[in-house]
Amino acid sequence: NAGVTQTPKFQVLKTGQSMTLQCAQDMNHNSMYWYRQDPGMGLRLIYYSASEGTTDKGEVPNGYNVSRLNKREFSLRLESAAPSQTSVYFCASSHARGGETYEQYFGPGTRLTVT
Amino acid sequence: GNSVTQMEGPVTLSEEAFLTINCTYTATGYPSLFWYVQYPGEGLQLLLKATKADDKGSNKGFEATYRKETTSFHLEKGSVQVSDSAVYFCALSDLGAAGNKLTFGGGTRVLVKP
Repeated sequence: NAGVTQTPKFQVLKTGQSMTLQCAQDMNHNSMYWYRQDPGMGLRLIYYSASEGTTDKGEVPNGYNVSRLNKREFSLRLESAAPSQTSVYFCASSHARGGETYEQYFGPGTRLTVT
Repeated sequence: GNSVTQMEGPVTLSEEAFLTINCTYTATGYPSLFWYVQYPGEGLQLLLKATKADDKGSNKGFEATYRKETTSFHLEKGSVQVSDSAVYFCALSDLGAAGNKLTFGGGTRVLVKP
């Protein structure tokens, strides 16, 4: 099992350009998440998908859109990149069932620089 | 809302020293608590977890006890190794939240010197 995979690993964009970060998991998890990691701020949730067909905003959704393409795949789109979106982006997935807490599994991350 | 506060780093130790990383939380309801570890250049991995008050999570020589009365979940290891150099994140999950969302602390970088 590959677990959670992300592409690309590195990306440099100019201000105003757009791009899509791809994420896939092979663990048959219901829930998927996108985080950004900035120095000293831990991980902040951008968007999540509790189950296939649903998406919801997290703590810092502005400037991003997501698509839950199917149960395996969850993409993050930057429509018009800004320097403030320079960060490391992590995708994660987990089981989710009411009343139970499950571990989240993380991908290796995408390091994005916006100039 | 929920929040997690952990001590700022970096924490620099010698091999075989005792490690403590403090973590306190604020939450509504009855959260589960986690410690994740991030090795250089990698994603986060679950280190240990505790799902109810007084539970002790343990893994790879690390331990943490869920203390509801002090809203804390401090991470400890009795004798660290160079390979324990990493960033450690405390996190909580609120059972009432849809989608199993986690709230993370800011992370503590630990550097173990030989």
